[in-house]
Amino acid sequence: DAGITQSPRHKVTETGTPVTLRCHQTENHRYMYWYRQDPGHGLRLIHYSYGVKDTDKGEVSDGYSVSRSKTEDFLLTLESATSSQTSVYFCAISESNSYEQYFGPGTRLTVT
Amino acid sequence: AQTVTQSQPEMSVQEAETVTLSCTYDTSENNYYLFWYKQPPSRQMILVIRQEAYKQQNATENRFSVNFQKAAKSFSLKISDSQLGDTAMYFCAFMKPNPTSGTYKYIFGTGTRLKVLA
Repeated sequence: DAGITQSPRHKVTETGTPVTLRCHQTENHRYMYWYRQDPGHGLRLIHYSYGVKDTDKGEVSDGYSVSRSKTEDFLLTLESATSSQTSVYFCAISESNSYEQYFGPGTRLTVT
Repeated sequence: AQTVTQSQPEMSVQEAETVTLSCTYDTSENNYYLFWYKQPPSRQMILVIRQEAYKQQNATENRFSVNFQKAAKSFSLKISDSQLGDTAMYFCAFMKPNPTSGTYKYIFGTGTRLKVLA
């Protein structure tokens, strides 16, 4: 299994509070992604990174920011959490020689 | 913009039988990749099979095979000899590499929930 961990695995927070989710990889893969999974929507891309300090927006990036200061870590921040951001968040990694994505175990976030 | 459609929200199959999950996509590109991912109740996303668009031969991985129809933009997954452990959500995904920008973005369908019945 690809070495990808996400922390925390579960979190309950209140509306308006900041939240940071961490994705950590030990595979030295160049590309990292954050998705959210919601019933009826599949996986939707929030942000992705194609190198250290290189990031770009996905289809549902409003309300989220990311940072990648080193190859192994990709942080997703909700500056002011809203109930619509209640979801399961997945991190994924890939490398350009195979294009296959490997996923972390997911983080279930509940905003009350 | 590319889109991926999985028109079967739920399906069921008897153990040991064969089932086919459908996926269609929309793109004007010629070079791209297609994937099927499995998500069992554990929630872990697992790659099942991948297909390069430039390859005419359909990909096969043990009991899993695809029917790739490039002109029809169809990418169905066939599971043979279904097992109880195949019970999961299955996602179809499309990826178009952009070597110029160095970006590789994936687009997922909404998923098909498959239940294998004993």
